Amino acid sequence: DTGVSQNPRHKITKRGQNVTFRCDPISEHNRLYWYRQTLGQGPEFLTYFQNEAQLEKSRLLSDRFSAERPKGSFSTLEIQRTEQGDSAMYLCASSLLADSYEQYFGPGTRLTVT
Amino acid sequence: QQQVKQSPQSLIVQKGGISIINCAYENTAFDYFPWYQQFPGKGPALLIAIRPDVSEKKEGRFTISFNKSAKQFSLHIMDSQPGDSATYFCAASIRGRGNFNKFYFGSGTKLNVKP
Repeated sequence: DTGVSQNPRHKITKRGQNVTFRCDPISEHNRLYWYRQTLGQGPEFLTYFQNEAQLEKSRLLSDRFSAERPKGSFSTLEIQRTEQGDSAMYLCASSLLADSYEQYFGPGTRLTVT
Repeated sequence: QQQVKQSPQSLIVQKGGISIINCAYENTAFDYFPWYQQFPGKGPALLIAIRPDVSEKKEGRFTISFNKSAKQFSLHIMDSQPGDSATYFCAASIRGRGNFNKFYFGSGTKLNVKP
């Protein structure tokens, strides 16, 4: 399977704990995006990487959130001191450098904060 | 403020019928309008997309109608099938600071096609 993969698929954590998610984009895709999707809503943009550079962050991305893409391949999204409001599906997408219109989404990581 | 408004929230259609989902936007800088299909437990998948210089685009049973002056666009699914039962999201794209296409999604329509 050469699509976008995300791990873990599900994560249950207690409030106040730190969590980290991983995204592996399609191999030749230079562009990588993180979105958050709450129940009954569409995905909301969080941040964008071109290769290893993080070029835009949404105001939704509070200082408890940090994302990295150290070698321009996989990316990680870390949430520190999780809150119940962080419960959501976290989606990763990737696209070619030449075409950022067609974004391919991974299956997401569902986070539940208890 | 939601950039893209989508309706209805849910839709029930008989097999063979036409499903119609509507979206509206305000920002005239949007330059690309995709529709995504999402099945439970999966990420959204691109279904069909249109640019604002075109009024209609058809791919198989799926058609986008685009009304630039009204700032509205809609998805029509002809001959709807039970396998089309999914959540559909419209989206609109604008150029982000990092020279990429930043998507704003509607809130989704859950389609149920009855056999």
